[in-house]
Amino acid sequence: EAQVTQNPRYLITVTGKKLTVTCSQNMNHEYMSWYRQDPGLGLRQIYYSMNVEVTDKGDVPEGYKVSRKEKRNFPLILESPSPNQTSLYFCASSFLTGTGVKNIQYFGAGTRLSVL
Amino acid sequence: AQKVTQAQTEISVVEKEDVTLDCVYETRDTTYYLFWYKQPPSGELVFLIRRNSFDEQNEISGRYSWNFQKSTSSFNFTITASQVVDSAVYFCALGGGSGGSNYKLTFGKGTLLTVNP
Repeated sequence: EAQVTQNPRYLITVTGKKLTVTCSQNMNHEYMSWYRQDPGLGLRQIYYSMNVEVTDKGDVPEGYKVSRKEKRNFPLILESPSPNQTSLYFCASSFLTGTGVKNIQYFGAGTRLSVL
Repeated sequence: AQKVTQAQTEISVVEKEDVTLDCVYETRDTTYYLFWYKQPPSGELVFLIRRNSFDEQNEISGRYSWNFQKSTSSFNFTITASQVVDSAVYFCALGGGSGGSNYKLTFGKGTLLTVNP
């Protein structure tokens, strides 16, 4: 079954304790991306990756890191989480055809993170 | 920079009413892609439609229809004869094409649609 898998689904942590949210897709997609969803702000892109070892900042990258060592995985790293990173996080992937984001994004189920 | 504006934060209708969700976008790209996604109360994000900037044909899929007007930079979504199951948050999104925002995907803030029985 084609899917994007995020883990964990729920996480409560404390300020400053490093954490990683994993994202894995089984569709051989080149493009992967992380978003955060906050009430009244919609979905905002954190980082995206066009392929292995190619990543770039989205609109709200501060406080986050990513890596793309393998095509299927795109972990989101919070080195020193703070309460303002409490949010619902989504990972997504899609094929890349030519230039630009033109293909359907497949989303994971989301990770709800609370930073105390 | 890309921008997507969904001016309607919340809409509430009674079942069987028609409802239109507005989406206005800004981009400097000459080629770009527009999307609508639905987020039902269960939380997952579901793709509804994609449109590229060269294709201004309106589209109808069952009770759903989309009106893309490049002249007004709008890509509006209409649900005809709404049903309770249509209750969800709807997001409009803009994908970069040929310009500097190539690989960014920008979402609007979403419109919460509540369809009451």
